[in-house]
Amino acid sequence: DIQMTQSPSTLSASVGDRVTITCRASQSIRSWLAWYQQKPGKAPKLLIYKASSLESGVPSRFSGSGSGTEFTLTISSLQPDDFATYYCQQYHSDRTFGQGTKVEIK
Amino acid sequence: QVQLQESGPGLVKPSQTLSLTCSVSGDSISSGSYYWSWIRQPAGKGLEWVGHIYITGSANYNPSLKSRLTMSIDTSNNQFSLKLSSVTAADTAVYYCARDDDYFGSGHWGQGTLVTVSS
Repeated sequence: DIQMTQSPSTLSASVGDRVTITCRASQSIRSWLAWYQQKPGKAPKLLIYKASSLESGVPSRFSGSGSGTEFTLTISSLQPDDFATYYCQQYHSDRTFGQGTKVEIK
Repeated sequence: QVQLQESGPGLVKPSQTLSLTCSVSGDSISSGSYYWSWIRQPAGKGLEWVGHIYITGSANYNPSLKSRLTMSIDTSNNQFSLKLSSVTAADTAVYYCARDDDYFGSGHWGQGTLVTVSS
């Protein structure tokens, strides 16, 4: 099984901050990684697929990078609507989610 | 635009079988190279991939649930289903169905349905 480890678990930031979340895979997943945003009581929303491709309609302040075992999600300038929990997911072999990163207001 | 909607009992007794159905609208479940997936989320916790099924009926399951899990697909009614046997309180969660593929990941999700395991 492929394990996904996200860090940090919680991140406190202010509007306008640059935010980076890291996701590490227990083995190479090439670029088969997605990032999701989830708000309380809602289903997750796809932000990034194939490690760095922006899903249609997602603001350009979101970006993804990485390949192999190390990946990052960056929000270039945090907006009020971005306070949420973010999950990475590998889809190289079956599917596995990271444990999530909650971005909260500082 | 494809839409997914979960349905099933909100309360299941311990040791019984949890059964959920996901109805798909806006697209045929038979079209494209999609996996039809289940993901769950206990209250206050993270997402857990349960498993997925392909249009051929071939399914892949989370190893931790594999012995209790059965998925099926019903093309005539454009829906797919999950059965999880011998449930315990640890299976209490919001269950989501989703459509995913090997290129885009999971782009379409249902709204989720809460299943509580309790006597």
